[in-house]
Amino acid sequence: QSALTQPASVSGSPGQSITISCTGTSSDIGSYRVVSWYQQLPGKAPKLLISDVNERPSGVSNRFSGSKSGNTASLTISGLQAEDEADYYCCSYAGSSTYVFGTGTKVTVL
Amino acid sequence: QLQLQESGPGLVKPSETLSLTCTVSGGSISTSTYYWGWIRQPPGKGLEWIGTIFYTGTTHYNPSLKSRVTRSVDTSKNQFSLNLTSVTAADTGVYYCVGYGDADAFDVWGQGTLITVSS
Repeated sequence: QSALTQPASVSGSPGQSITISCTGTSSDIGSYRVVSWYQQLPGKAPKLLISDVNERPSGVSNRFSGSKSGNTASLTISGLQAEDEADYYCCSYAGSSTYVFGTGTKVTVL
Repeated sequence: QLQLQESGPGLVKPSETLSLTCTVSGGSISTSTYYWGWIRQPPGKGLEWIGTIFYTGTTHYNPSLKSRVTRSVDTSKNQFSLNLTSVTAADTGVYYCVGYGDADAFDVWGQGTLITVSS
């Protein structure tokens, strides 16, 4: 069970859109729609942003959206804001009631 | 609103057993809505799923940790716990207790507790 692959860092200017990729295998992302995304602000616990590939929990800004194609899931942040500067992690169901996280991506707002 | 709070020793010696407890408030641990779990994060690194448990005692573990992990639920105290045996420095990190709900995601998190493995 290997960690899902994310870019180490992504940056953008305020107002721009950025996309974070999360690449897995046919045993995890490729087989299930149980993909979630989490935002971790410095020194804080992670917070759920997206569940089931593209579902936003109540209270999460609609600037965050998710998608999936094949073995790769993606998180898009539109209208980038300074408060979006954080670490982002994807997570996928990997079968047999197990879960695997991504390596994490640091988002920098220029 | 459901809240989770971890409690643990802070410092554990190598080769010993790490024991953590998570207290659930704002709701019952004996609910069919949630699985309860643990996720850890080594310093400066990413998240790692350790395992989940249902209030009935059904457990699921990360294969890489399965041989060292045991988990239990105490419904009378609204708590669940984690035991990790034979710890090494690689087990140092922040340990989060979490709830996995109907959203098919870890939608409730404790604040985390830092565990350091050192002699």
